[in-house]
Amino acid sequence: DIQMTQSPSSLSASVGDRVTITCRASQGISNYLAWYQQKPGKVPKLLIYAASTLQSGVPSRFSGSGSGTDFTLTISSLQPEDVATYYCQKYNSAPITFGQGTRLEIK
Amino acid sequence: QVQLQESGPGLVKPSQTLSLTCTVSGGSISSGSYYWSWIRQPAGKGLEWIGRIYTSGSTNYNPSLKSRVTISVDTSKNQFSLKLSSVTAADTAVYYCAREGAAGLEYWGQGTLVTVSS
Repeated sequence: DIQMTQSPSSLSASVGDRVTITCRASQGISNYLAWYQQKPGKVPKLLIYAASTLQSGVPSRFSGSGSGTDFTLTISSLQPEDVATYYCQKYNSAPITFGQGTRLEIK
Repeated sequence: QVQLQESGPGLVKPSQTLSLTCTVSGGSISSGSYYWSWIRQPAGKGLEWIGRIYTSGSTNYNPSLKSRVTISVDTSKNQFSLKLSSVTAADTAVYYCAREGAAGLEYWGQGTLVTVSS
């Protein structure tokens, strides 16, 4: 099975900072990579799919890149409402796997 | 707009079978090319994919749970269901149903907490 490893597991940044989260797949997954945002007590929300396509309604400060085994989620200018845990996910072929999550806090 | 809603007992005894249903509204469960999925999340932990059923009825399961999981669909009720047998306290979690399409898990239910306890 393909494992998804995120780094860092947590980070703290200041409002306005550029934030990058990485996700590595143990085998190539083409671009079948999605990113989700989960705020405390809330349902996960799809941010990005196909590695770099922004889901409708998601602010443009979020972006994704990568293909194969290495992927990144970037927030260009961190906002207070971005405090959440972020998960990458390999989808399409089973088994589906999630990264362990990255907890993002405001410094 | 597609909406999903989980339902089922919030408390299950150890060794028994957990049964949940997801009701889909805003679209037919049998139309389109979608997987109907179950995901769970223990308190304070990450997301774990349980399994999914395709519109054709074919299923895929998490290998770590495969021996205990059954996912089925009832197109007449626009529902799909999860059964997890021989539960233990480790199965206590919020259980989500979701629709997976070409864009990943685009639609999610609100989640339902299932506690395994005697």
